[in-house]
Amino acid sequence: EIVMTQSPATLSVSPGERATLSCRSSQDINSNLAWYQQKPGQPPRLLIYGASTRATGIPARFSGSGSGTEFTLTISSLQSEDFAVYYCQQHNAWPPLTFGGGTKVEI
Amino acid sequence: QVQLQESGPGLVKPSETLSLTCTVSGASVTSGSYYWSWIRQPPGKGLEWIGYIYYSGSTTYNPSLKSRVTISIDTAKNQFSLKLSSATAADTAIYYCARIAPHWGFLFDFWGQGTLFTVSS
Repeated sequence: EIVMTQSPATLSVSPGERATLSCRSSQDINSNLAWYQQKPGQPPRLLIYGASTRATGIPARFSGSGSGTEFTLTISSLQSEDFAVYYCQQHNAWPPLTFGGGTKVEI
Repeated sequence: QVQLQESGPGLVKPSETLSLTCTVSGASVTSGSYYWSWIRQPPGKGLEWIGYIYYSGSTTYNPSLKSRVTISIDTAKNQFSLKLSSATAADTAIYYCARIAPHWGFLFDFWGQGTLFTVSS
Protein backbone atom coordinates (compact mmCIF):
# COMPACT_ATOMS: atom_id res chain seq x y z
CA GLU A 1 0.00 0.00 0.00
CA ILE A 2 1.27 3.47 -0.87
CA VAL A 3 1.20 5.70 2.21
CA MET A 4 0.59 9.41 1.70
CA THR A 5 1.91 11.81 4.33
CA GLN A 6 0.86 15.44 4.46
CA SER A 7 2.52 18.25 6.35
CA PRO A 8 1.96 20.30 8.29
CA ALA A 9 -1.21 19.00 9.92
CA THR A 10 -2.33 22.58 10.51
CA LEU A 11 -1.16 25.73 8.74
CA SER A 12 -2.02 29.13 10.20
CA VAL A 13 -1.94 31.94 7.67
CA SER A 14 -3.46 35.37 7.18
CA PRO A 15 -5.67 36.36 4.25
CA GLY A 16 -3.57 37.51 1.33
CA GLU A 17 -0.59 35.40 2.37
CA ARG A 18 0.88 32.48 0.49
CA ALA A 19 0.25 28.94 1.71
CA THR A 20 2.44 25.98 0.86
CA LEU A 21 1.20 22.46 1.62
CA SER A 22 3.30 19.33 1.28
CA CYS A 23 2.41 15.76 0.36
CA ARG A 24 4.87 12.88 0.31
CA SER A 25 4.33 9.36 -0.98
CA SER A 26 6.04 6.22 0.31
CA GLN A 27 6.79 5.13 -3.27
CA ASP A 28 7.33 6.82 -6.61
CA ILE A 29 3.91 7.73 -7.99
CA ASN A 30 5.11 9.68 -11.03
CA SER A 31 2.62 12.55 -11.41
CA ASN A 32 -0.42 10.52 -10.45
CA LEU A 33 -1.52 12.80 -7.65
CA ALA A 34 -4.70 14.76 -7.01
CA TRP A 35 -5.50 17.48 -4.50
CA TYR A 36 -8.91 18.10 -2.94
CA GLN A 37 -10.37 20.87 -0.82
CA GLN A 38 -12.95 20.10 1.86
CA LYS A 39 -14.95 22.68 3.78
CA PRO A 40 -16.98 21.83 6.89
CA GLY A 41 -20.15 19.92 6.10
CA GLN A 42 -19.25 19.53 2.44
CA PRO A 43 -17.75 16.76 0.32
CA PRO A 44 -14.23 17.13 -1.00
CA ARG A 45 -13.82 19.10 -4.22
CA LEU A 46 -11.25 18.21 -6.84
CA LEU A 47 -8.68 20.99 -7.22
CA ILE A 48 -5.69 19.55 -9.03
CA TYR A 49 -4.98 16.37 -11.00
CA GLY A 50 -1.87 15.09 -12.69
CA ALA A 51 0.00 16.84 -9.86
CA SER A 52 -0.24 20.23 -11.57
CA THR A 53 -3.38 20.59 -13.73
CA ARG A 54 -6.21 22.63 -12.27
CA ALA A 55 -9.65 21.06 -12.48
CA THR A 56 -12.48 22.90 -14.18
CA GLY A 57 -13.39 26.17 -12.49
CA ILE A 58 -10.49 26.20 -10.03
CA PRO A 59 -8.93 29.66 -9.63
CA ALA A 60 -5.41 30.29 -10.85
CA ARG A 61 -4.20 31.07 -7.32
CA PHE A 62 -4.14 27.30 -6.75
CA SER A 63 -1.12 25.55 -8.21
CA GLY A 64 0.37 22.12 -7.83
CA SER A 65 3.88 20.86 -8.45
CA GLY A 66 6.09 17.87 -7.93
CA SER A 67 6.60 14.36 -9.19
CA GLY A 68 7.96 11.11 -7.84
CA THR A 69 7.48 11.24 -4.09
CA GLU A 70 7.35 14.95 -3.24
CA PHE A 71 4.43 17.21 -4.09
CA THR A 72 3.32 20.71 -3.20
CA LEU A 73 0.05 22.60 -3.33
CA THR A 74 0.47 26.37 -3.29
CA ILE A 75 -2.25 28.93 -2.73
CA SER A 76 -0.69 32.17 -3.87
CA SER A 77 -2.88 34.66 -2.00
CA LEU A 78 -5.31 33.18 0.46
CA GLN A 79 -8.91 34.28 0.22
CA SER A 80 -11.43 33.81 3.00
CA GLU A 81 -13.08 30.95 1.11
CA ASP A 82 -9.80 29.02 0.96
CA PHE A 83 -9.72 28.19 4.66
CA ALA A 84 -10.45 24.48 4.60
CA VAL A 85 -8.84 21.05 4.83
CA TYR A 86 -6.77 19.88 1.88
CA TYR A 87 -6.13 16.25 0.97
CA CYS A 88 -3.80 14.64 -1.52
CA GLN A 89 -4.60 11.28 -3.18
CA GLN A 90 -2.43 8.95 -5.19
CA HIS A 91 -3.72 6.96 -8.14
CA ASN A 92 -0.52 5.41 -9.42
CA ALA A 93 -0.93 1.97 -7.90
CA TRP A 94 -3.99 0.40 -6.35
CA PRO A 95 -5.79 -1.15 -4.66
CA PRO A 96 -6.00 0.68 -2.49
CA LEU A 97 -6.37 4.23 -3.71
CA THR A 98 -4.99 6.24 -0.79
CA PHE A 99 -5.33 9.70 0.67
CA GLY A 100 -3.07 11.75 2.88
CA GLY A 101 -4.21 12.65 6.36
CA GLY A 102 -5.01 16.24 5.38
CA THR A 103 -3.73 19.73 6.11
CA LYS A 104 -6.05 22.20 7.76
CA VAL A 105 -5.50 25.77 6.60
CA GLU A 106 -6.75 28.13 9.28
CA ILE A 107 -6.71 31.82 9.93
CA GLN B 1 -24.54 18.82 -14.29
CA VAL B 2 -23.59 15.53 -12.73
CA GLN B 3 -25.18 14.93 -9.34
CA LEU B 4 -24.86 12.02 -6.94
CA GLN B 5 -27.08 11.46 -3.93
CA GLU B 6 -26.59 8.90 -1.18
CA SER B 7 -29.55 7.34 0.58
CA GLY B 8 -30.16 4.69 3.18
CA PRO B 9 -30.92 4.16 6.86
CA GLY B 10 -28.60 6.16 9.06
CA LEU B 11 -28.28 3.62 11.85
CA VAL B 12 -27.51 -0.07 12.18
CA LYS B 13 -26.68 -2.26 15.14
CA PRO B 14 -23.27 -3.91 15.54
CA SER B 15 -22.90 -7.07 13.45
CA GLU B 16 -25.64 -5.96 11.05
CA THR B 17 -25.14 -4.99 7.41
CA LEU B 18 -24.82 -1.37 6.36
CA SER B 19 -26.60 -0.65 3.06
CA LEU B 20 -26.45 2.52 1.01
CA THR B 21 -27.55 3.53 -2.47
CA CYS B 22 -26.20 6.28 -4.70
CA THR B 23 -28.55 7.76 -7.29
CA VAL B 24 -26.83 9.41 -10.22
CA SER B 25 -28.30 12.17 -12.37
CA GLY B 26 -26.75 14.03 -15.25
CA ALA B 27 -24.70 10.99 -16.22
CA SER B 28 -25.34 7.35 -16.93
CA VAL B 29 -23.83 4.56 -14.87
CA THR B 30 -23.84 2.53 -18.09
CA SER B 31 -21.29 4.87 -19.63
CA GLY B 32 -18.06 3.04 -20.24
CA SER B 33 -16.20 6.28 -19.59
CA TYR B 34 -16.60 6.26 -15.82
CA TYR B 35 -16.29 4.19 -12.69
CA TRP B 36 -18.47 4.63 -9.62
CA SER B 37 -16.99 4.63 -6.16
CA TRP B 38 -17.60 4.76 -2.42
CA ILE B 39 -15.40 6.63 0.05
CA ARG B 40 -15.92 7.11 3.78
CA GLN B 41 -14.78 9.57 6.42
CA PRO B 42 -15.08 8.94 10.16
CA PRO B 43 -16.26 12.08 11.95
CA GLY B 44 -13.37 14.53 12.23
CA LYS B 45 -10.95 12.22 10.42
CA GLY B 46 -9.53 11.59 6.96
CA LEU B 47 -10.77 9.87 3.83
CA GLU B 48 -10.75 6.13 3.15
CA TRP B 49 -11.50 4.66 -0.26
CA ILE B 50 -13.85 1.65 -0.07
CA GLY B 51 -14.11 0.45 -3.66
CA TYR B 52 -15.49 1.06 -7.13
CA ILE B 53 -17.60 -0.58 -9.80
CA TYR B 54 -17.70 -0.40 -13.58
CA TYR B 55 -20.89 -0.57 -15.62
CA SER B 56 -20.05 -4.18 -16.52
CA GLY B 57 -20.29 -5.09 -12.84
CA SER B 58 -16.54 -5.45 -12.41
CA THR B 59 -15.44 -4.33 -8.94
CA THR B 60 -12.25 -3.39 -7.12
CA TYR B 61 -12.16 -3.11 -3.34
CA ASN B 62 -9.87 -1.81 -0.64
CA PRO B 63 -8.08 -4.94 0.66
CA SER B 64 -8.69 -3.80 4.23
CA LEU B 65 -12.46 -4.04 3.69
CA LYS B 66 -12.69 -6.57 0.88
CA SER B 67 -14.03 -9.45 2.97
CA ARG B 68 -17.02 -7.37 4.11
CA VAL B 69 -17.82 -5.14 1.11
CA THR B 70 -20.10 -5.63 -1.87
CA ILE B 71 -20.70 -2.90 -4.45
CA SER B 72 -23.38 -3.49 -7.05
CA ILE B 73 -24.92 -1.52 -9.88
CA ASP B 74 -28.52 -1.12 -11.08
CA THR B 75 -28.41 0.23 -14.60
CA ALA B 76 -32.21 0.43 -14.89
CA LYS B 77 -32.40 2.84 -11.95
CA ASN B 78 -29.07 4.58 -12.68
CA GLN B 79 -27.88 3.67 -9.19
CA PHE B 80 -25.08 1.83 -7.49
CA SER B 81 -25.04 0.45 -3.98
CA LEU B 82 -22.80 -0.44 -1.07
CA LYS B 83 -23.21 -3.23 1.44
CA LEU B 84 -20.82 -3.54 4.37
CA SER B 85 -21.40 -6.60 6.52
CA SER B 86 -20.57 -7.30 10.17
CA ALA B 87 -20.61 -3.60 11.03
CA THR B 88 -18.80 -2.32 14.10
CA ALA B 89 -18.49 1.09 15.72
CA ALA B 90 -15.35 1.63 13.64
CA ASP B 91 -17.58 1.75 10.54
CA THR B 92 -19.37 4.85 11.81
CA ALA B 93 -18.58 7.48 9.21
CA ILE B 94 -19.86 9.81 6.55
CA TYR B 95 -20.20 7.73 3.40
CA TYR B 96 -19.71 9.44 0.06
CA CYS B 97 -20.39 8.16 -3.41
CA ALA B 98 -18.27 9.62 -6.19
CA ARG B 99 -17.49 9.34 -9.87
CA ILE B 100 -14.12 8.37 -11.27
CA ALA B 101 -13.18 9.75 -14.67
CA PRO B 102 -10.27 7.49 -15.65
CA HIS B 103 -9.21 9.63 -18.59
CA TRP B 104 -7.91 12.03 -15.93
CA GLY B 105 -6.67 9.24 -13.69
CA PHE B 106 -8.33 7.24 -10.94
CA LEU B 107 -9.45 10.25 -8.95
CA PHE B 108 -12.85 11.55 -7.93
CA ASP B 109 -14.31 14.39 -9.97
CA PHE B 110 -17.89 14.50 -8.67
CA TRP B 111 -19.05 13.65 -5.15
CA GLY B 112 -22.36 13.22 -3.39
CA GLN B 113 -23.07 15.31 -0.31
CA GLY B 114 -22.44 12.35 1.94
CA THR B 115 -24.58 10.58 4.50
CA LEU B 116 -23.71 9.81 8.10
CA PHE B 117 -24.02 6.16 8.99
CA THR B 118 -23.86 5.26 12.66
CA VAL B 119 -23.25 1.79 14.08
CA SER B 120 -24.69 1.60 17.56
CA SER B 121 -26.81 -0.67 19.68
